[in-house]
Amino acid sequence: EVQLLESGGGLVQPGGSLRLSCAASGFTFTNYAMGWVRQAPGKGLEWVSSIRSSGSNADYADSVKGRFTISRDNSKNTLFLQMNSLRAEDMATYYCAKSLTSDVADFDYWGQGTLVTVSS
Amino acid sequence: QSALTQPASVSGSPGQSITISCTGSNSDVGGYNYVSWYQQHPGKAPKLIIYDVSNRPSGVSNRFSGSKSGNTASLTISGLQAVDEADYYCNSYTSSNTRVFGGGTKLTVL
Repeated sequence: EVQLLESGGGLVQPGGSLRLSCAASGFTFTNYAMGWVRQAPGKGLEWVSSIRSSGSNADYADSVKGRFTISRDNSKNTLFLQMNSLRAEDMATYYCAKSLTSDVADFDYWGQGTLVTVSS
Repeated sequence: QSALTQPASVSGSPGQSITISCTGSNSDVGGYNYVSWYQQHPGKAPKLIIYDVSNRPSGVSNRFSGSKSGNTASLTISGLQAVDEADYYCNSYTSSNTRVFGGGTKLTVL
């Protein structure tokens, strides 16, 4: 059974940093691209970033480019999202998701999300 | 990376069919056959119900179908059931090698 378990969310001040983790199990992690999608309270979904199975290529939404970094540790089946220079508009539930293929593709499995609150 | 355009809400009675549209541009929906649809119930994670315009993942009911014409993709739900009441989001690959979601559509089953 595919499982994605996010952690690392919490309260952070504007301008601060946070690192999200996503522990994956139930599938061959190294074969699939992974990504992060966020959802602000009461709002719609926003794609944040995706990384290919090898970890060699990553893409970002314009809203987070230069501030967020996605990475993965294929030896530990773990996906990360390093978030710097956080803003109020970054406050959201962050979902970790598994792609259908090794390349950037649709997400067929999602975690339950971790809440990031940006407030002073 | 402008969000794709979806109607804010649609409604239908049990047994009926409804269609949700998703309008983009030549740089996303119209340029690639990489449109997907997600269903999200309140407080739950999204669920993939259509990918690559019209493909259903294993386990997804055949009451869900997808199509595309030009810059507009559509999701049709036939034989509407109470359990279908949820938010629905379209998503597309873009020419910038990114993904973009629609604003979401709230489906109400009357």
